[in-house]
Amino acid sequence: DTEVTQTPKHLVMGMTNKKSLKCEQHMGHRAMYWYKQKAKKPPELMFVYSYEKLSINESVPSRFSPECPNSSLLNLHLHALQPEDSALYLCASSPRQGTDNEQFFGPGTRLTVL
Amino acid sequence: GESVGLHLPTLSVQEGDNSIINCAYSNSASDYFIWYKQESGKGPQFIIDIRSNMDKRQGQRVTVLLNKTVKHLSLQIAATQPGDSAVYFCAEGGTGTASKLTFGTGTRLQVTL
Repeated sequence: DTEVTQTPKHLVMGMTNKKSLKCEQHMGHRAMYWYKQKAKKPPELMFVYSYEKLSINESVPSRFSPECPNSSLLNLHLHALQPEDSALYLCASSPRQGTDNEQFFGPGTRLTVL
Repeated sequence: GESVGLHLPTLSVQEGDNSIINCAYSNSASDYFIWYKQESGKGPQFIIDIRSNMDKRQGQRVTVLLNKTVKHLSLQIAATQPGDSAVYFCAEGGTGTASKLTFGTGTRLQVTL
């Protein structure tokens, strides 16, 4: 299995909702990443987990809460989001943290905040 | 701050021709560079990478060239096919396990028949 899966593919939520994005990989990778991508823009790093511990938080607002319950799963919990948070949320994984490790990306979750 | 950018936002190439996508980077400490392809509705897909101790690397129909003197990176696609139509991002990485990827602004490649 050489892919990263993400669910759901699409999500529409109100500003008072609580929702979660899920990411899964079974490649034995020990680094997992969340990126945010606005339309016609490059992916922007949000969080990095290395060996199930948060390694990098790119000053992301607390309404985004990541969680890595085990080495195969990565969640992003969403609460009280703003319309400007609407974007494609990409998950990626790599064998280890470090930019000389190829990052494998999932297809993303298209999030719309109303 | 440091940035990675692309010269051309859109490149139109006829099927069968060669494509060249350029990228400029400004962080002289970067030692690892990657090209990603992103098709509509999909996540970025790894194409090829190169370390700073190399100036050229070839893959299947693709070649990456690195010019550290002028901080320039290019992706060459031979015999461009309609399936190559996508947005191409260069990404730059620093050193160490705490480093991260910084993506350039992207170039859309349109292949015409």
